[in-house]
Amino acid sequence: EPEVTQTPSHQVTQMGQEVILRCVPISNHLYFYWYRQILGQKVEFLVSFYNNEISEKSEIFDDQFSVERPDGSNFTLKIRSTKLEDSAMYFCASNRVDSNQPQHFGDGTRLSIL
Amino acid sequence: EDQVTQSPEALRLQEGESSSLNCSYTVSGLRGLFWYRQDPGKGPEFLFTLYSAGEEKEKERLKATLTKKESFLHITAPKPEDSATYLCAVQVRGGSQGNLIFGKGTKLSVKP
Repeated sequence: EPEVTQTPSHQVTQMGQEVILRCVPISNHLYFYWYRQILGQKVEFLVSFYNNEISEKSEIFDDQFSVERPDGSNFTLKIRSTKLEDSAMYFCASNRVDSNQPQHFGDGTRLSIL
Repeated sequence: EDQVTQSPEALRLQEGESSSLNCSYTVSGLRGLFWYRQDPGKGPEFLFTLYSAGEEKEKERLKATLTKKESFLHITAPKPEDSATYLCAVQVRGGSQGNLIFGKGTKLSVKP
């Protein structure tokens, strides 16, 4: 069964450094999402992406964050200058032609900021 | 404010002991309610979607139901492999591209 794949599984970065998290959504999916989960807390929506542009973003998704679909398969989340509070699991998700359809999640990237 | 609350936070069952998990929601208008299973170190795995009050969905030992204020995930005769965190999430009507609002989850442990 097709899966959403995320790399790396664990990223350790110094505070203030840039980090790029990568995702390969399921191939026939058109809507892409990033969520994060701080340890012990809820999964939180960051941003949705459709037709090569941001559809919606949360308050968390400030100017330090950006997303890109650089080619036909990858979907990336960049954090320009990381802070300690950016430490979390970051999940990528995708769904098909209708955003009502279930979102399928990758296994996440654990981001640790030192 | 749109909100999802799950209870209990944790549930310990003996193998074969049936029970229910609750997800109550307060939203301006429900577009869909989703149940996910999350194993440690993994992403949420899709289980069910419910769209309207009265709807029910079943899969193996799991059955999800929906009312206008809450959803239940019933687990019949659970097995140890059902141990996981179960997440409830809603999509709100009027939201542009379907972002999910999650509850904190119920951590289920099933002992043999």
